[in-house]
Amino acid sequence: GEEVAQTPKHLVRGEGQKAKLYCAPIKGHSYVFWYQQVLKNEFKFLISFQNENVFDETGMPKERFSAKCLPNSPCSLEIQATKLEDSAVYFCASSFASAYNSPLHFGNGTRLTVT
Amino acid sequence: SQQGEEDPQALSIQEGENATMNCSYKTSINNLQWYRQNSGRGLVHLILIRSNEREKHSGRLRVTLDTSKKSSSLLITASRAADTASYFCATLEGEYGNKLVFGAGTILRVKS
Repeated sequence: GEEVAQTPKHLVRGEGQKAKLYCAPIKGHSYVFWYQQVLKNEFKFLISFQNENVFDETGMPKERFSAKCLPNSPCSLEIQATKLEDSAVYFCASSFASAYNSPLHFGNGTRLTVT
Repeated sequence: SQQGEEDPQALSIQEGENATMNCSYKTSINNLQWYRQNSGRGLVHLILIRSNEREKHSGRLRVTLDTSKKSSSLLITASRAADTASYFCATLEGEYGNKLVFGAGTILRVKS
């Protein structure tokens, strides 16, 4: 498609439950990025992929967060045992080439509320 | 880490006026990008300026880059109510430029 599609738009989870977010990048884009935005403030980088390979995961809280981009499937971001502080909007972005040369195209985000 | 720092944090102007937002960064860069976020939406790319460029235009947008001062500015001329949004600068980090790091953004409100 021509847009980055994120599902669901909203997700509510009780503390300790699992949350799984999905992202379909723009067709033909090789790079996928996940960001976390808390309270409309700065975007915190989580992880990036080049095709199905992790490119940079330095932003991921590794104990509870995991992500995948498998061929012919939407990319996913999974949070095990959610905490209140995980409440945020999670954005996915894709780009045709690396960010050296290519702008990122963002989806409209998934709002995760942990209660 | 937060690479870009925007200034001011918030800006309120009348329709038709110009708006200038500034961004400072800490390390050397390959390129600097500006994005806009409307309420409830994802970021939209505005302009990418490379380290060997000093100025770039796109419609009513003008971006400058001063690598000696490690700063960039975004100028929106003849602002419209529809320009009301948050504006973010972003720079590359990582050994291979693997991640785009965003600043905290400037909230622009254009009053009609």
